[in-house]
Amino acid sequence: EIVMTQSPATLSVSPGERVTLSCRASQSVSSTLGWYQQKPGQAPRLLIYGASTRATGIPPRFSGSGSGTEFTLTISSLQSEDFAVYYCQQYNDWPLTFGGGTKVEIK
Amino acid sequence: EVQLVESGGGLVQPGGSLRLSCAASGFTFSTYAMSWVRQAPGRGLEWVSTISAGGSAAYYADAVKGRFTISRDSSKNTLYLQMNTLRAEDTAVYYCAKATVTTWGPRWFDPWGQGTLVTVSS
Repeated sequence: EIVMTQSPATLSVSPGERVTLSCRASQSVSSTLGWYQQKPGQAPRLLIYGASTRATGIPPRFSGSGSGTEFTLTISSLQSEDFAVYYCQQYNDWPLTFGGGTKVEIK
Repeated sequence: EVQLVESGGGLVQPGGSLRLSCAASGFTFSTYAMSWVRQAPGRGLEWVSTISAGGSAAYYADAVKGRFTISRDSSKNTLYLQMNTLRAEDTAVYYCAKATVTTWGPRWFDPWGQGTLVTVSS
């Protein structure tokens, strides 16, 4: 099983700041990596797939990068609606696995 | 617009059974793989199972293998999850989710339904 590790667990930031979230895979997953955003009481929403391709309707302030075992989700200028939990997911192989999440909270 | 609506959750005793349903609309259901993903209260996301577009292939997480069965009925545009021998650790919100491409294989999920809560407790 490919283990996905996200860091940090919690990030306290102010609106307008640039945010960088990390996701590491226990073995190479090439570029088969997705990012999701989840707000309280809501279902997750796809942000990024293929490590760097924004999903339909996702604003350009969200960007993904990386390949192999190291990945990054960057929010260029944090908006109030971006405070949420972010998960990475590998789909290189079964079983599909998620990282433990990074909570982005208001500083 | 793609819509996924889960139902069938509720309170069940340990060792009991439950069948979840996910009604799909807004896309050609028979051409996409579908999945179940769960989230225990206050915890992260955990993939449960995926079924191919035609229903002939399926994968399961080790935690549910042998107890849960995923299936689909394309005449009803509905995905199912039959859960048997339920345990306290199966307590979670269960989401159904659609694959984004029609080719079979491990994939990302988009979109997700709103989820249905399953509580296993005596």
